[in-house]
Amino acid sequence: NAGVTQTPKFRVLKTGQSMTLLCAQDMNHEYMYWYRQDPGMGLRLIHYSVGEGTTAKGEVPDGYNVSRLKKQNFLLGLESAAPSQTSVYFCASSSSTNQPQHFGDGTRLSIL
Amino acid sequence: GENVEQHPSTLSVQEGDSAVIKCTYSDSASNYFPWYKQELGKGPQLIIDIRSNVGEKKDQRIAVTLNKTAKHFSLHITETQPEDSAVYFCAARDYGQNFVFGPGTRLSVLP
Repeated sequence: NAGVTQTPKFRVLKTGQSMTLLCAQDMNHEYMYWYRQDPGMGLRLIHYSVGEGTTAKGEVPDGYNVSRLKKQNFLLGLESAAPSQTSVYFCASSSSTNQPQHFGDGTRLSIL
Repeated sequence: GENVEQHPSTLSVQEGDSAVIKCTYSDSASNYFPWYKQELGKGPQLIIDIRSNVGEKKDQRIAVTLNKTAKHFSLHITETQPEDSAVYFCAARDYGQNFVFGPGTRLSVLP
């Protein structure tokens, strides 16, 4: 049982480049989330989805876009990467807002 | 919106001692409070959670207490072991039904 899988695990980008982070879950969860984790700041919500075809903004959405074309996948895109987006990105899923979230192991992204 | 504070930011204890991590929240409407453990290079994993209709919950060496009046909740780990060393995060579900996380506590259990 894989749970939540994130790809890639590591990536280095140059300023201005674009990329997409992929999150896949095999638990048939409706809700999916993207967070970024920076030292001393815990986890901050970037975007989330309450079901296939839906997305919504979280606390820090600027500079990111997301898509949820299939229930099991949630994609996070950076159109024009900036050094301030250097972070560790975590994807999570849950069956409802009243249940705990299950996290992937993260993508470590460096923007030079 | 919801704001979650967490103390201490770092905690060192001797193996076998107890560890306590405290969190406070600002939104009195918050009603669900999970705790996560994050090991190096891994994602956070749920270790225990508590809902607002309960004051305390235990699971073996781990317990969580909730004081809704004071708007704070605490994680208690007894008989600590080296494998308890990790970063611990508290969270509170806000009015928008998303979670707000505390900044984390790095726990070191010294042999």
